[in-house]
Amino acid sequence: SQTIHQWPATLVQPVGSPLSLECTVEGTSNPNLYWYRQAAGRGLQLLFYSVGIGQISSEVPQNLSASRPQDRQFILSSKKLLLSDSGFYLCAWSADTAEAFFGQGTRLTVV
Amino acid sequence: AQSVTQLDSQVPVFEEAPVELRCNYSSSVSVYLFWYVQYPNQGLQLLLKYLSGSTLVKGINGFEAEFNKSQTSFHLRKPSVHISDTAEYFCAVSASNTGFQKLVFGTGTRLLVSP
Repeated sequence: SQTIHQWPATLVQPVGSPLSLECTVEGTSNPNLYWYRQAAGRGLQLLFYSVGIGQISSEVPQNLSASRPQDRQFILSSKKLLLSDSGFYLCAWSADTAEAFFGQGTRLTVV
Repeated sequence: AQSVTQLDSQVPVFEEAPVELRCNYSSSVSVYLFWYVQYPNQGLQLLLKYLSGSTLVKGINGFEAEFNKSQTSFHLRKPSVHISDTAEYFCAVSASNTGFQKLVFGTGTRLLVSP
């Protein structure tokens, strides 16, 4: 069966520090991969998606970037965090029907 | 492009009462529809989905939803809620075209079940 792992679960980082969140999927090949951010009262905002290795699409301009160095690995990064980057970040994967399967999320607090 | 509207940001209800969470969508093409549930500080879990066929879809935890194409709605219902149903519920839509299709979420509805 397929599983998705996302870490860390919580993270407190100072403003201006770098960020790296990692997500890996097991039990499937060539998944579509997503990074979402969830801010209080705003639902889920799609940040990036990827349909294959090295293929990244950005949905909104921001201080973040994403990379997909391997088929089942998706990384969210920032060179310098802003206070506004705080939020709950969710990684997800999907196959043909766009039904998405989510990781447990990372609570990022920028201080 | 697709969009989803969840008009109710919060729905309070007493335990064992019925509940309906509303979802309306907009799309110029045929769609797939989903309901997800999120418990505090956790990821999203799929409750049910409509891909094709019967418009009444049954999901986990006693939830069901009905696809109404003419009203572009996909409302979620449960005949009798439990305290444990307290959570955030998200409606989502994607185009049913072939190839990669993004999943678009509504802003969520917080269901608050009290004794």
